[in-house]
Amino acid sequence: GDSVTQMEGPVTLSEEAFLTINCTYTATGYPSLFWYVQYPGEGLQLLLKATKADDKGSNKGFEATYRKETTSFHLEKGSVQVSDSAVYFCALSDSNYGGATNKLIFGTGTLLAVQP
Amino acid sequence: GAGVSQSPRYKVAKRGQDVALRCDPISGHVSLFWYQQALGQGPEFLTYFQNEAQLDKSGLPSDRFFAERPEGSVSTLKIQRTQQEDSAVYLCASSTPLGGGLETQYFGPGTRLLVL
Repeated sequence: GDSVTQMEGPVTLSEEAFLTINCTYTATGYPSLFWYVQYPGEGLQLLLKATKADDKGSNKGFEATYRKETTSFHLEKGSVQVSDSAVYFCALSDSNYGGATNKLIFGTGTLLAVQP
Repeated sequence: GAGVSQSPRYKVAKRGQDVALRCDPISGHVSLFWYQQALGQGPEFLTYFQNEAQLDKSGLPSDRFFAERPEGSVSTLKIQRTQQEDSAVYLCASSTPLGGGLETQYFGPGTRLLVL
């Protein structure tokens, strides 16, 4: 079945460092890809998404490009801040409902800790 | 407008007790999902409703788990005869089906269930 694999954490960085969190996927169809973020004490929030190959999702300085040839969707940010400390989840949507709303399949999450 | 709300936020149950977890989706959202998130893991799909119809319950781990959405709005996830392995955060998400992976699922804060 479809699955998502993301790098294990925790990832500890100093403020203004460059961030990469790797994510690869396995899917039989053509899924949409997502990054969700969970800040301490809060619910999951959509960070960015891409719906087809070569699309780039971006939000709040974060970017990820849908790479079909390498089945990857790595998350990057050029300069992290302390406020970016959170757990990041890579996910894909599994097309089970004939193109209608699809359930999400998540990776295990990566904890990012940014130190001042 | 209001987001997805869940209640209770925390629930402690003795093994063997029945519990009921409530989800209030965003008003007008047709689709509703339940996910289970074990400690240190990503969320895992449990079940999906489109309006009042339960279209997919393939993720429910046993027949002790039951979900309903009788009027196509509020949903309740019921767990009968709780076991320690049921301890997890239960997440509810809602969305409007747009097809093609374009929809965004909005998550509630979750209910943290601890079975003693």
